[in-house]
Amino acid sequence: NAGVMQNPRHLVRRRGQEARLRCSPMKGHSHVYWYRQLPEEGLKFMVYLQKENIIDESGMPKERFSAEFPKEGPSILRIQQVVRGDSAAYFCASSPYRAGLAGPYNEQFFGPGTRLTVL
Amino acid sequence: GESVGLHLPTLSVQEGDNSIINCAYSNSASDYFIWYKQESGKGPQFIIDIRSNMDKRQGQRVTVLLNKTVKHLSLQIAATQPGDSAVYFCAETVSNDYKLSFGAGTTVTVRA
Repeated sequence: NAGVMQNPRHLVRRRGQEARLRCSPMKGHSHVYWYRQLPEEGLKFMVYLQKENIIDESGMPKERFSAEFPKEGPSILRIQQVVRGDSAAYFCASSPYRAGLAGPYNEQFFGPGTRLTVL
Repeated sequence: GESVGLHLPTLSVQEGDNSIINCAYSNSASDYFIWYKQESGKGPQFIIDIRSNMDKRQGQRVTVLLNKTVKHLSLQIAATQPGDSAVYFCAETVSNDYKLSFGAGTTVTVRA
């Protein structure tokens, strides 16, 4: 059973360009969580999605950032008009149930992350 | 080896020695805590968890201690091995919440 897949692993963008980060959850997982890790900091929650639904986007900046998890295909985190402050590692995690409620946290698996560098 | 204070960014430990990694959490309402291990180029990996109704929990070579009075958490690794070299994060949450709040992490380097 393959783990959580993220691509690309490394992404370089110039200021003003768009960044699209993809996350394929583990097989059988329908809950996806995105986190951002700034240099020298811990991961910060951004958004929680289920298939075709955004459940909680309270940690995501209101402008330029959006996320989706379509019925078919990977979850996408999209950053428009990137700025240098967006440079970070972006991790997604997936779980078969809603982590913390119906399922234990040890069933929430993290992907390897996408490292975004904005020049 | 032991990290002291809030969470020392780095900890160097001799192979075979015990490691102690400390973490101060911020939210008094947090009642569930997890330690994660992040190896270079990989995502965080679950190590062990503990609920606030416990003050100690043991796993394989790892022990987590919780002191709610001073909002302090520690991870003890017995007989540290080269494969233990990684960044270790503590994370906190309130029961039944899916959102985890991570600390800044401690980098552990094991000396041969």
